[in-house]
Amino acid sequence: EAQVTQNPRYLITVTGKKLTVTCSQNMNHEYMSWYRQDPGLGLRQIYYSMNVEVTDKGDVPEGYKVSRKEKRNFPLILESPSPNQTSLYFCASSYSDSSYGYTFGSGTRLTVV
Amino acid sequence: RKEVEQDPGPFNVPEGATVAFNCTYSNSASQSFFWYRQDCRKEPKLLMSVYSSGNEDGRFTAQLNRASQYISLLIRDSKLSDSATYLCVVNEVDSSYKLIFGSGTRLLVRP
Repeated sequence: EAQVTQNPRYLITVTGKKLTVTCSQNMNHEYMSWYRQDPGLGLRQIYYSMNVEVTDKGDVPEGYKVSRKEKRNFPLILESPSPNQTSLYFCASSYSDSSYGYTFGSGTRLTVV
Repeated sequence: RKEVEQDPGPFNVPEGATVAFNCTYSNSASQSFFWYRQDCRKEPKLLMSVYSSGNEDGRFTAQLNRASQYISLLIRDSKLSDSATYLCVVNEVDSSYKLIFGSGTRLLVRP
């Protein structure tokens, strides 16, 4: 089944404790992206990647890191999480031509206390 | 001005009603248009692409008006299961791969 897999689905952590949210797709998509979604603010892009070893900042990159060492994986790293990073996070992927739309992962609900 | 604007709603309609959402986009050179559906706390899912000539998928009809830069979604014979947030999506003109998401219109279908 073609899908984008995110883990974990839910995570509660403490301020300053490094964490990684994994994202993997099995569709051989070139493009992958991370979003956060907060009430009233819609989807905001954090980082994106056009292909292996090619990443770039989205609209709200502060406090996040990403890497793209393999085509299928695009982990999101929070080196020192803070409470304002409490949010619902989605990974998405697509072919390089966006006319096919994006496929989203099931989401990760992160709470930083 | 936001690149993609939608009425946040909520639209509260009875079962069986016909409901229409509109969305406006700012860049006249945009080429790809979509409607996504998002259930509460779940991932957005592609509902349908929007083509210049308009297109229909069962009870759902999407229209594109390039001159006025708006996209519409019509839902006929609303079902309780249609209750969700509907996101209007447009491609970013300077990029072949980036999509811009509206903040969504919430639909509540009541019995």
